[in-house]
Amino acid sequence: EAGVVQSPRYKIIEKKQPVAFWCNPISGHNTLYWYRQNLGQGPELLIRYENEEAVDDSQLPKDRFSAERLKGVDSTLKIQPAELGDSAVYLCASSLGGLRVETQYFGPGTRLLVL
Amino acid sequence: TQLLEQSPQFLSIQEGENLTVYCNSSSVFSSLQWYRQEPGEGPVLLVTVVTGGEVKKLKRLTFQFGDARKDSSLHITAAQTGDTGLYLCAGVDQAGTALIFGKGTTLSVSS
Repeated sequence: EAGVVQSPRYKIIEKKQPVAFWCNPISGHNTLYWYRQNLGQGPELLIRYENEEAVDDSQLPKDRFSAERLKGVDSTLKIQPAELGDSAVYLCASSLGGLRVETQYFGPGTRLLVL
Repeated sequence: TQLLEQSPQFLSIQEGENLTVYCNSSSVFSSLQWYRQEPGEGPVLLVTVVTGGEVKKLKRLTFQFGDARKDSSLHITAAQTGDTGLYLCAGVDQAGTALIFGKGTTLSVSS
């Protein structure tokens, strides 16, 4: 069974440019998470989807970050405009579903470097 | 805000040595998970502990959940170079709806 797929794996952009990350969760998983992981830190939740509904986006910086999960499958996370402090690894994870936390399966992440 | 403190932050040991990583909080968690993350990859779940005082073993790894469900430890016996990686603990809040990660312990095992 295929795991969580993320693309691109690496992205280098200049500050003030837009950037987008894509995630394809494990088939049948209704819950999708986006995390940001700074160097030497643990992942921090940005947004959580139950199907196509964002049920927790309290930590998403809404002035520059946006996300969507059309049709409740794939998801895109966008940053516009990017700032130097956005350099990090952006991880996508999925789980079977439901409001309670279950085993999450992580993708390999997208490593973003903002110059 | 619930916080998980992991110690040590970095650990560098020789193959064959034993080690313990700690995960502490002032908050009570409904369960606690341990992950290992290798460079360039996402975290992979190793174990979930649910009951206070619970001990789980995974080959050379022993995980313990504190009696009060506020802390946990990971003990590795006879470390191998393949154990190298970032070890993350993550607590599930009492409502069971949020997963809070610690900052991780970076383990380097050399031969």
